[in-house]
Amino acid sequence: SQTIHQWPATLVQPVGSPLSLECTVEGTSNPNLYWYRQAAGRGLQLLFYSVGIGQISSEVPQNLSASRPQDRQFILSSKKLLLSDSGFYLCAWNGDRRREQYFGPGTRLTVT
Amino acid sequence: AQSVTQLGSHVSVSEGALVLLRCNYSSSVPPYLFWYVQYPNQGLQLLLKYTTGATLVKGINGFEAEFKKSETSFHLTKPSAHMSDAAEYFCAVSERRTGRRALTFGSGTRLQVQP
Repeated sequence: SQTIHQWPATLVQPVGSPLSLECTVEGTSNPNLYWYRQAAGRGLQLLFYSVGIGQISSEVPQNLSASRPQDRQFILSSKKLLLSDSGFYLCAWNGDRRREQYFGPGTRLTVT
Repeated sequence: AQSVTQLGSHVSVSEGALVLLRCNYSSSVPPYLFWYVQYPNQGLQLLLKYTTGATLVKGINGFEAEFKKSETSFHLTKPSAHMSDAAEYFCAVSERRTGRRALTFGSGTRLQVQP
């Protein structure tokens, strides 16, 4: 069966510091991968998605970037965090034959 | 562009009462439709999905949803609420016409279940 991991689970970072969040998927190959952000009391905003290694599509211009160095690894980064980057970050995957997405446990980021 | 509207950001029901969470979509072609549940500080869990075929879809935990093309709706129901159903529920759609597999989510409905 497939599983999806995210780490760290929680993170508190000062404004201006760098960020690296990692997501990995097990039990499948060539997944489509997604990063979402969920701000407090709001819905999910798609940030990036990837259909393959090195292939990244950005949905919203912002202070963040994404990379996919390996087939089942998806990384969300920032060089300098802003207060507005605080939120709950969710990674998700699906396969080419299915439209439903499966979500990781999330990372709670607080920028102070 | 497609969009999803969830009517009511908060819904409160009594334990044992009917749960009805509303979802309407805006798309010229009926999309794929999904309901997800999120418990505090956790990821989203798929409750059910509609892709094709029977318009009444049954999911986990006793939930079901009915796709109504004429109303562009996909409301989520459960006959009898349990305390454990208290969570946030998200409706989502995926375009049927394109290969794009990203989901568009509604803003969510927080369900409270009163004892």
